[in-house]
Amino acid sequence: QSALTQPASVSGSPGQSITISCTGTSSDVGSYNLVSWYQQHPGKAPKLMIYEINKRPSGISNRFSGSRSGNTASLTISGLQAEDEADYFCCSYAGGSTWVFGTGTKVTVL
Amino acid sequence: QVQLQESGPGLVKPSGTLSLTCAVSGGSISSTNWWTWVRQPPGKGLEWIGEIYHSGNTNYNPSLRSRVTISLDKSKNQFSLKVSTVTAADTAVYYCARRPVTNWFDPWGQGTLVTVSS
Repeated sequence: QSALTQPASVSGSPGQSITISCTGTSSDVGSYNLVSWYQQHPGKAPKLMIYEINKRPSGISNRFSGSRSGNTASLTISGLQAEDEADYFCCSYAGGSTWVFGTGTKVTVL
Repeated sequence: QVQLQESGPGLVKPSGTLSLTCAVSGGSISSTNWWTWVRQPPGKGLEWIGEIYHSGNTNYNPSLRSRVTISLDKSKNQFSLKVSTVTAADTAVYYCARRPVTNWFDPWGQGTLVTVSS
């Protein structure tokens, strides 16, 4: 069970769109619609942003969207804002009643 | 709304046992949820440790299974984590979280830093 692979960092200017990838295998991301994304500001607990690949919890801005192609899930942040600067982690069901997180991506707003 | 709060020693000696508790408020630990532990070594990513259902069924990360025990205390509405034979590699912020059967992790506790050092 290896961590899902994310780029270490992604940056963008205010108002732009950015996409964070989350690459797994056919045993996790590619097999289950159970991919979620979490936002974590420094020193804070993770916050659920997307679940089941592309669903937003109540209260999460529609600037956040999710998708999946094959073994890679993606989180897109549109209309980038300063408050979006944080670490982002993906998570997937990995079979056998286990879960795996991504390596994490630091988003910087230029 | 459900809130979770971790507690326990912040310093554990190598080869000792790490013990943490997560108090659940605003909801019952006997509800149909999985109660989960996740850790984050300093400057690194998240690692799923394991979880326990209200029935007492458990699931563990295969890489940690031999050293981890998660248990419930329904009378206190809390659940606990024990990690045995700890080393410096177990130094991390430990989070508890709820996983509804709908399969995401929310909410999370604020996290507690545990350092393994002599």
